[in-house]
Amino acid sequence: DAMVIQNPRYQVTQFGKPVTLSCSQTLNHNVMYWYQQKSSQAPKLLFHYYDKDFNNEADTPDNFQSRRPNTSFCFLDIRSPGLGDAAMYLCATTTWGGLADRDTQYFGPGTRLTVL
Amino acid sequence: GDSVTQMEGPVTLSEEAFLTINCTYTATGYPSLFWYVQYPGEGLQLLLKATKADDKGSNKGFEATYRKETTSFHLEKGSVQVSDSAVYFCALSVTGGFKTIFGAGTRLFVKA
Repeated sequence: DAMVIQNPRYQVTQFGKPVTLSCSQTLNHNVMYWYQQKSSQAPKLLFHYYDKDFNNEADTPDNFQSRRPNTSFCFLDIRSPGLGDAAMYLCATTTWGGLADRDTQYFGPGTRLTVL
Repeated sequence: GDSVTQMEGPVTLSEEAFLTINCTYTATGYPSLFWYVQYPGEGLQLLLKATKADDKGSNKGFEATYRKETTSFHLEKGSVQVSDSAVYFCALSVTGGFKTIFGAGTRLFVKA
């Protein structure tokens, strides 16, 4: 089945120690998103890629970076995690430019990040 | 700017009760409207969607009708089950835009 996969599902890191979360998709979608979600609140968009074009939200801290080496993979790098960065991180994809199913986002299961 | 407002939770119901979760929106364009569901420990899943006024989205017994005149997209189910316990997010996406605007979410508890 086509899907969005996130690894790992659970990540524990230490305060200030860089961490990378990964997302892969088999949907061949051209848009990929990273969201931060705390305590079942609304997901907060951090950034998105349209193909290779990177779009950062204005209020996303500089501590958060992203890479998309190819269509299938996208990474979230947190350079110096603080206690406030503990959250669920959700990857999502969508297709833009086609007619069918446009605007629907497909989410991965999320990575829960704990910062000690 | 575009926004989504949904009723606060938690909502607690007994099994087989009728469910309504209210959702209203503000948008400058012609949005598509969505309900996403999030089960414990999982990502969000699309529950249903509607792309134009008067469209009804439906899935798994849930329904919502796109009401342009009242800018609403209320979620309903005639008979809830324990397995429906989850957080429900109303959302909108303006056609051609990359962003989805989510409501704050409504947690539903269904008791046996």
